Amino acid sequence: GNSVTQMEGPVTLSEEAFLTINCTYTATGYPSLFWYVQYPGEGLQLLLKATKADDKGSNKGFEATYRKETTSFHLEKGSVQVSDSAVYFCALSDRLLSGSARQLTFGSGTQLTVLP
Amino acid sequence: EAGVTQFPSHSVIEKGQTVTLRCDPISGHDNLYWYRRVMGKEIKFLLHFVKESKQDESGMPNNRFLAERTGGTYSTLKVQPAELEDSGVYFCASSQWDRAVDGELFFGEGSRLTVL
Repeated sequence: GNSVTQMEGPVTLSEEAFLTINCTYTATGYPSLFWYVQYPGEGLQLLLKATKADDKGSNKGFEATYRKETTSFHLEKGSVQVSDSAVYFCALSDRLLSGSARQLTFGSGTQLTVLP
Repeated sequence: EAGVTQFPSHSVIEKGQTVTLRCDPISGHDNLYWYRRVMGKEIKFLLHFVKESKQDESGMPNNRFLAERTGGTYSTLKVQPAELEDSGVYFCASSQWDRAVDGELFFGEGSRLTVL
């Protein structure tokens, strides 16, 4: 079955540091890949996505590139801010032959804390 | 526009008791999903409604869990009787039909369940 493996946290960085959160996946077919973020006291929000190999998703300074050869979708940001402190979840959605998506498969989440 | 709302935000019950979680999706969203995160691990799919019909309930752990979606609007998830291993955060999400194809879901803040 499908699975997503994320680097374990927690991750603590100083403001303006470079961030990488590793994510690798196992899936049949051609999944779409996502990063979701949960800020304190809020629901999960879609941060960025990529639907095919070599696509780069980006939002709010975060980027992730869909690497089919390494089955990876690592999240990066060049300069983190205190406001980026949150839990980050890598996820995939695999399409059925009918075209409708299966349910999302999530990783275990990575807690990021950015210190001023 | 109101987002996905869940109630209660936190419930503490004793083993053997019953708890009912409620989810109000975004108005007009036919697709409603339940997920849960146990012990800080990965978020796992429970089930998927399309309007009032259960489209996929393959993630429901056992028959102590009962989900309903009356009239295709709000949904409830009942756990009866609750066991210690049911503790976790239960997330509800919704989407319009065409957005579900790309796996883009709108999540609520989650209901934290603690079983003592």
